[in-house]
Amino acid sequence: IQLTQSPSLLSASVGDRVTLSCKGSQNINNYLAWYQQKLGEAPKLLIYNTNSLQTGIPSRFSGSGSGTDYTLTISSLQPEDVATYFCYQYNNGFTFGSGTKLEIK
Amino acid sequence: QVKLQQSGAELVKPGASVKLSCKTSGYTFSTSYMSWFKQIPGQSIEWIGMIYAGDGGTGYNQKFKGKATLTVDTSSSTAYMDLSSLTTEDSAVYFCAKPTYGYFDYWGQGVMVTVSS
Repeated sequence: IQLTQSPSLLSASVGDRVTLSCKGSQNINNYLAWYQQKLGEAPKLLIYNTNSLQTGIPSRFSGSGSGTDYTLTISSLQPEDVATYFCYQYNNGFTFGSGTKLEIK
Repeated sequence: QVKLQQSGAELVKPGASVKLSCKTSGYTFSTSYMSWFKQIPGQSIEWIGMIYAGDGGTGYNQKFKGKATLTVDTSSSTAYMDLSSLTTEDSAVYFCAKPTYGYFDYWGQGVMVTVSS
């Protein structure tokens, strides 16, 4: 399964509501997770099973979607959210999207 | 708490092999799975393969068959990945990660492998 993320680069202001998209080449059956990766660090799990928030992750992060189309939403962007975000599917094999780099305006 | 501690950065010559380690603590290693991933800086993440520590059973991404070999040492709760016949295309950061129902919630810090003469 191929994953296409959009946009590849997103610039937003602190406090903005931000939406990142991930589209699969076939049905993912909600086996979709989101990771945050800061420069020089390992990926950090934010969301699993489409909309389950990982322990310790702030509630401003949320996930939604079904079928082939999934979304990560940050309700109020914070400076510490600057990172690259990857979607990841585990319905058929294990594949990551190409990433969305999130910057602060 | 769960910890995955990877070995240090490697500089290796083309054609050589390298063995990376991932020492774990904080959970029952002998009944768990471990996966390895490759990430070229600035690019996405690729799944290399997975090993079950209970019996050493493995599964690989077709792309990495013949390139990567996964093993474990349950006596030291350590997972290993051998990379063989290295080329410049193998220069990347390699991560170990522990899965939970298909997604990976614990990751090592990553190790940079540089292949250069």
